Amino acid sequence: AQTVTQSQPEMSVQEAETVTLSCTYDTSESDYYLFWYKQPPSRQMILVIRQEAYKQQNATENRFSVNFQKAAKSFSLKISDSQLGDAAMYFCAYRSAMGGTSYGKLTFGQGTILTVHP
Amino acid sequence: GAVVSQHPSRVICKSGTSVKIECRSLDFQATTMFWYRQFPKQSLMLMATSNEGSKATYEQGVEKDKFLINHASLTLSTLTVTSAHPEDSSFYICSARPLAGTNNEQFFGPGTRLTVL
Repeated sequence: AQTVTQSQPEMSVQEAETVTLSCTYDTSESDYYLFWYKQPPSRQMILVIRQEAYKQQNATENRFSVNFQKAAKSFSLKISDSQLGDAAMYFCAYRSAMGGTSYGKLTFGQGTILTVHP
Repeated sequence: GAVVSQHPSRVICKSGTSVKIECRSLDFQATTMFWYRQFPKQSLMLMATSNEGSKATYEQGVEKDKFLINHASLTLSTLTVTSAHPEDSSFYICSARPLAGTNNEQFFGPGTRLTVL
């Protein structure tokens, strides 16, 4: 079974600064997807960024970028120019590319609470 | 597009009663819906995978007779918590995977807060 580990229960950053959230995972599969989700106080899950394992290029979405190290099974999220609205709980998630009855299911890490100071 | 709704958003019930939570994909068809449970400041734990027209696949440790899942159409899945007890109090979130397109992304509902007295 796959596992996802986020070793930082809480992180804080000053507004306009950069912060990196860590995530490691364990899998024996070669093809999979990795995601970062944001859960603000409203508790609505919002997709921040996704990475396909077969792509070597790191994904970027505006101020959000990842550092995907497949051999090390590491998938960190960098938030640049942090904004007050970035404050939320962030979850790293893994999804297998394999088929089956549970195709598409996500395995989440424990989450990291990000606080942004003005 | 790609909106998922849940109803109710919050529910309070007495111990021993049953509660039904609905998950609807409003503008797309979903062959697969997922049900998660989340305790305060904790992660989402997958409870079951719901496939339209077939029996749900439950994760290890989840009681299928207690958490009844029905996926009767391509836009609706329901989770019924039977004989609810205070320990079932939690935040329940569903997600839906579209039939096609959207790069296999799944979309999340806003969640349902269940409180069992």
